[in-house]
Amino acid sequence: DAGITQSPRHKVTETGTPVTLRCHQTENHRYMYWYRQDPGHGLRLIHYSYGVKDTDKGEVSDGYSVSRSKTEDFLLTLESATSSQTSVYFCAISPTGQGDQPQHFGDGTRLSIL
Amino acid sequence: DQQVKQNSPSLSVQEGRISILNCDYTNSMFDYFLWYKKYPAEGPTFLISISSIKDKNEDGRFTVFLNKSAKHLSLHIVPSQPGDSAVYFCAASAEPGANSKLTFGKGITLSVRP
Repeated sequence: DAGITQSPRHKVTETGTPVTLRCHQTENHRYMYWYRQDPGHGLRLIHYSYGVKDTDKGEVSDGYSVSRSKTEDFLLTLESATSSQTSVYFCAISPTGQGDQPQHFGDGTRLSIL
Repeated sequence: DQQVKQNSPSLSVQEGRISILNCDYTNSMFDYFLWYKKYPAEGPTFLISISSIKDKNEDGRFTVFLNKSAKHLSLHIVPSQPGDSAVYFCAASAEPGANSKLTFGKGITLSVRP
């Protein structure tokens, strides 16, 4: 299995609070991704990173920011959480970012915003 | 606008029989397709993929068929086993180079009855 650790695995918080999710990889892959999974929507890309301090937006980036100060860590921040951001969040990694290279996923963070 | 469609939300088959999971896409620029399998409380795991230059790819009990003219692909599992019970996501990418992004379908829940 790819060495991907997501933390925390579960979190419950209140509307308006800041939340940071962490993805840590031990594979030294260049590309890292954040997705959210919601019923009826499959997985949707939030943000991705193609190197240290290099990030770009995905399909559903509003309300989220990311940072990557080290190759192994990719942080997802909800500056002021809303109930619509209740979801399961997955981190993924890829060595090259090319379409013919499968991305490998962590086990997810279940986030509930009350 | 959903570019990757898995129109059947669920499928139930008898152990030992064939499971056929379907996926349709609308973006003619998609050139690489992947299937992921997901168990509850785990991240998606890569199962099998196919390039648009092929019409079939086989890996053990799993075969993916691609019909480019119909913009349709299917995953065949033969014989189906109870451990195959999971959610299956179809995904596609359109960019051959780096910074390629995956577009996922909503997923199909497969139940294999003993």
